[in-house]
Amino acid sequence: DTGVSQDPRHKITKRGQNVTFRCDPISEHNRLYWYRQTLGQGPEFLTYFQNEAQLEKSRLLSDRFSAERPKGSFSTLEIQRTEQGDSAMYLCASSSSEGGGNTIYFGEGSWLTVV
Amino acid sequence: GDSVTQMEGPVTLSEEAFLTINCTYTATGYPSLFWYVQYPGEGLQLLLKATKADDKGSNKGFEATYRKETTSFHLEKGSVQVSDSAVYFCALSLLPSGSARQLTFGSGTQLTVLP
Repeated sequence: DTGVSQDPRHKITKRGQNVTFRCDPISEHNRLYWYRQTLGQGPEFLTYFQNEAQLEKSRLLSDRFSAERPKGSFSTLEIQRTEQGDSAMYLCASSSSEGGGNTIYFGEGSWLTVV
Repeated sequence: GDSVTQMEGPVTLSEEAFLTINCTYTATGYPSLFWYVQYPGEGLQLLLKATKADDKGSNKGFEATYRKETTSFHLEKGSVQVSDSAVYFCALSLLPSGSARQLTFGSGTQLTVLP
Protein backbone atom coordinates (compact mmCIF):
# COMPACT_ATOMS: atom_id res chain seq x y z
CA ASP A 1 0.00 0.00 0.00
CA THR A 2 1.54 3.31 -1.04
CA GLY A 3 -1.01 5.63 0.54
CA VAL A 4 -0.60 7.95 3.52
CA SER A 5 -0.08 5.93 6.69
CA GLN A 6 -0.82 7.07 10.22
CA ASP A 7 0.05 5.49 13.53
CA PRO A 8 -1.46 4.77 15.94
CA ARG A 9 -4.99 4.58 14.58
CA HIS A 10 -6.45 4.94 18.05
CA LYS A 11 -5.02 6.35 21.27
CA ILE A 12 -6.64 6.68 24.67
CA THR A 13 -4.71 8.77 27.15
CA LYS A 14 -5.23 10.37 30.51
CA ARG A 15 -5.53 14.11 30.81
CA GLY A 16 -2.15 15.71 31.26
CA GLN A 17 -0.19 13.07 29.39
CA ASN A 18 1.74 13.73 26.19
CA VAL A 19 0.87 11.95 22.96
CA THR A 20 2.65 11.68 19.63
CA PHE A 21 1.24 10.69 16.26
CA ARG A 22 3.27 9.63 13.27
CA CYS A 23 2.53 10.13 9.59
CA ASP A 24 4.26 8.55 6.61
CA PRO A 25 3.28 10.37 3.43
CA ILE A 26 3.18 9.00 -0.09
CA SER A 27 6.85 8.48 -0.88
CA GLU A 28 7.25 10.97 -3.73
CA HIS A 29 5.25 13.73 -2.01
CA ASN A 30 7.22 16.68 -0.66
CA ARG A 31 4.29 18.42 1.05
CA LEU A 32 2.73 17.16 4.25
CA TYR A 33 -0.27 18.54 6.15
CA TRP A 34 -1.89 17.99 9.52
CA TYR A 35 -5.63 18.54 10.10
CA ARG A 36 -7.89 18.01 13.08
CA GLN A 37 -11.45 16.74 12.77
CA THR A 38 -13.92 16.81 15.62
CA LEU A 39 -17.17 14.89 15.64
CA GLY A 40 -19.71 16.27 13.20
CA GLN A 41 -17.31 18.82 11.73
CA GLY A 42 -15.09 19.06 8.72
CA PRO A 43 -11.31 18.86 9.02
CA GLU A 44 -9.53 21.96 10.32
CA PHE A 45 -6.07 22.81 8.97
CA LEU A 46 -3.28 22.87 11.57
CA THR A 47 0.11 23.04 9.84
CA TYR A 48 2.06 22.07 6.74
CA PHE A 49 5.58 21.20 5.65
CA GLN A 50 7.37 21.46 2.36
CA ASN A 51 10.21 18.98 2.60
CA GLU A 52 11.58 19.49 6.12
CA ALA A 53 10.54 23.15 6.41
CA GLN A 54 7.43 23.97 8.40
CA LEU A 55 6.00 26.78 6.29
CA GLU A 56 2.75 27.38 8.12
CA LYS A 57 2.17 26.81 11.80
CA SER A 58 0.08 29.75 12.90
CA ARG A 59 -3.03 27.57 12.88
CA LEU A 60 -1.73 25.15 15.49
CA LEU A 61 -4.26 25.26 18.27
CA SER A 62 -1.96 26.20 21.14
CA ASP A 63 1.67 26.00 22.18
CA ARG A 64 0.94 22.49 23.46
CA PHE A 65 0.84 21.37 19.83
CA SER A 66 4.01 20.90 17.83
CA ALA A 67 4.95 19.10 14.64
CA GLU A 68 8.22 18.02 13.08
CA ARG A 69 9.42 16.56 9.83
CA PRO A 70 13.14 16.19 10.47
CA LYS A 71 14.29 14.53 7.25
CA GLY A 72 11.54 15.63 4.94
CA SER A 73 9.90 12.22 4.98
CA PHE A 74 7.73 11.14 7.93
CA SER A 75 6.26 13.65 10.35
CA THR A 76 5.20 13.63 13.99
CA LEU A 77 2.51 15.65 15.73
CA GLU A 78 2.90 15.96 19.49
CA ILE A 79 0.33 17.20 21.95
CA GLN A 80 1.67 17.99 25.40
CA ARG A 81 -0.39 18.06 28.60
CA THR A 82 -3.47 16.76 26.83
CA GLU A 83 -6.89 18.13 27.68
CA GLN A 84 -10.31 16.58 27.13
CA GLY A 85 -10.95 19.13 24.40
CA ASP A 86 -8.09 17.62 22.40
CA SER A 87 -10.19 14.51 21.77
CA ALA A 88 -10.55 14.37 18.00
CA MET A 89 -9.27 12.67 14.89
CA TYR A 90 -5.93 13.93 13.64
CA LEU A 91 -5.55 13.62 9.90
CA CYS A 92 -2.37 13.67 7.91
CA ALA A 93 -2.27 14.39 4.20
CA SER A 94 0.35 14.78 1.51
CA SER A 95 0.75 16.19 -1.95
CA SER A 96 3.41 16.89 -4.53
CA SER A 97 4.52 20.30 -5.73
CA GLU A 98 5.28 18.81 -9.11
CA GLY A 99 2.93 18.61 -12.06
CA GLY A 100 0.54 21.33 -10.98
CA GLY A 101 -2.19 18.92 -9.96
CA ASN A 102 -1.71 19.41 -6.24
CA THR A 103 -4.28 16.84 -5.25
CA ILE A 104 -4.11 16.25 -1.51
CA TYR A 105 -4.28 12.65 -0.33
CA PHE A 106 -5.42 11.92 3.20
CA GLY A 107 -4.56 9.13 5.59
CA GLU A 108 -7.14 7.26 7.62
CA GLY A 109 -6.54 9.39 10.68
CA SER A 110 -5.51 8.87 14.28
CA TRP A 111 -8.29 8.96 16.84
CA LEU A 112 -7.42 10.53 20.18
CA THR A 113 -9.56 10.13 23.27
CA VAL A 114 -8.50 12.02 26.39
CA VAL A 115 -10.09 10.71 29.59
CA GLY B 1 -12.97 34.92 6.36
CA ASP B 2 -13.25 32.15 3.84
CA SER B 3 -15.92 29.57 4.59
CA VAL B 4 -17.98 26.73 3.18
CA THR B 5 -21.60 26.06 4.06
CA GLN B 6 -23.11 22.68 3.34
CA MET B 7 -26.63 21.39 3.41
CA GLU B 8 -27.25 19.89 6.81
CA GLY B 9 -27.80 16.19 7.08
CA PRO B 10 -28.38 13.47 7.56
CA VAL B 11 -29.81 12.70 4.15
CA THR B 12 -31.56 9.37 3.64
CA LEU B 13 -32.52 8.18 0.17
CA SER B 14 -33.72 5.02 -1.46
CA GLU B 15 -31.50 3.28 -3.97
CA GLU B 16 -31.70 4.81 -7.47
CA ALA B 17 -32.99 8.14 -6.13
CA PHE B 18 -31.57 11.47 -7.32
CA LEU B 19 -29.09 13.14 -5.00
CA THR B 20 -28.33 16.80 -4.47
CA ILE B 21 -26.11 18.08 -1.67
CA ASN B 22 -25.92 21.86 -1.60
CA CYS B 23 -22.67 23.71 -1.04
CA THR B 24 -22.06 27.45 -1.05
CA TYR B 25 -18.89 29.31 -0.29
CA THR B 26 -17.55 32.67 0.77
CA ALA B 27 -14.09 33.61 -0.42
CA THR B 28 -12.08 36.75 -0.98
CA GLY B 29 -10.52 35.52 -4.23
CA TYR B 30 -11.11 32.84 -6.82
CA PRO B 31 -10.99 29.50 -5.08
CA SER B 32 -10.63 25.99 -6.35
CA LEU B 33 -13.52 23.82 -5.17
CA PHE B 34 -13.56 20.19 -4.11
CA TRP B 35 -15.82 17.42 -2.93
CA TYR B 36 -14.28 14.83 -0.63
CA VAL B 37 -15.97 11.63 0.56
CA GLN B 38 -15.33 9.75 3.79
CA TYR B 39 -16.54 6.17 3.97
CA PRO B 40 -17.01 4.60 7.41
CA GLY B 41 -13.67 3.95 9.08
CA GLU B 42 -11.66 5.42 6.23
CA GLY B 43 -9.83 8.62 5.44
CA LEU B 44 -10.99 11.39 3.14
CA GLN B 45 -10.89 10.68 -0.57
CA LEU B 46 -11.05 13.29 -3.29
CA LEU B 47 -14.26 12.75 -5.24
CA LEU B 48 -14.06 15.59 -7.76
CA LYS B 49 -12.79 19.12 -8.21
CA ALA B 50 -13.16 22.27 -10.30
CA THR B 51 -10.59 25.02 -10.52
CA LYS B 52 -12.41 27.84 -12.29
CA ALA B 53 -15.87 29.21 -12.95
CA ASP B 54 -18.18 27.04 -15.08
CA ASP B 55 -15.90 24.02 -14.77
CA LYS B 56 -17.72 20.76 -14.12
CA GLY B 57 -16.03 18.12 -12.01
CA SER B 58 -17.22 14.55 -12.36
CA ASN B 59 -16.33 11.12 -11.02
CA LYS B 60 -18.15 7.84 -10.30
CA GLY B 61 -21.44 9.29 -11.56
CA PHE B 62 -21.19 12.36 -9.31
CA GLU B 63 -21.05 15.85 -10.79
CA ALA B 64 -20.66 19.39 -9.52
CA THR B 65 -20.46 22.66 -11.46
CA TYR B 66 -18.53 25.71 -10.22
CA ARG B 67 -21.06 28.56 -10.27
CA LYS B 68 -19.36 31.86 -9.56
CA GLU B 69 -22.55 33.92 -9.84
CA THR B 70 -24.23 31.97 -7.06
CA THR B 71 -20.99 31.00 -5.25
CA SER B 72 -22.12 27.40 -5.29
CA PHE B 73 -20.74 23.93 -6.01
CA HIS B 74 -23.68 21.57 -5.51
CA LEU B 75 -23.02 17.82 -5.70
CA GLU B 76 -25.42 15.71 -7.78
CA LYS B 77 -25.86 12.09 -8.75
CA GLY B 78 -28.65 10.76 -10.90
CA SER B 79 -29.05 7.35 -9.27
CA VAL B 80 -27.50 6.60 -5.89
CA GLN B 81 -26.41 3.18 -4.69
CA VAL B 82 -26.14 1.70 -1.22
CA SER B 83 -22.36 1.86 -1.61
CA ASP B 84 -22.56 5.67 -1.84
CA SER B 85 -23.46 5.86 1.85
CA ALA B 86 -20.77 8.07 3.36
CA VAL B 87 -20.06 11.57 4.62
CA TYR B 88 -19.52 14.15 1.89
CA PHE B 89 -17.41 17.27 2.45
CA CYS B 90 -17.30 20.36 0.28
CA ALA B 91 -14.03 22.28 0.46
CA LEU B 92 -12.25 25.24 -1.05
CA SER B 93 -8.68 26.31 -1.50
CA LEU B 94 -7.64 29.85 -2.31
CA LEU B 95 -4.01 29.25 -3.04
CA PRO B 96 -3.16 29.32 -6.73
CA SER B 97 -2.22 26.25 -8.64
CA GLY B 98 1.37 25.38 -7.95
CA SER B 99 1.17 26.31 -4.29
CA ALA B 100 0.32 24.18 -1.32
CA ARG B 101 -3.39 23.73 -0.81
CA GLN B 102 -4.73 24.54 2.61
CA LEU B 103 -8.28 23.35 2.37
CA THR B 104 -11.22 24.94 4.15
CA PHE B 105 -13.95 22.34 4.68
CA GLY B 106 -17.66 22.44 5.25
CA SER B 107 -19.12 20.51 8.16
CA GLY B 108 -20.03 17.47 6.07
CA THR B 109 -23.29 15.83 5.02
CA GLN B 110 -24.05 12.26 6.05
CA LEU B 111 -25.74 10.30 3.25
CA THR B 112 -27.46 6.98 3.88
CA VAL B 113 -28.84 5.03 0.93
CA LEU B 114 -31.37 2.32 1.72
CA PRO B 115 -31.86 -0.75 -0.48
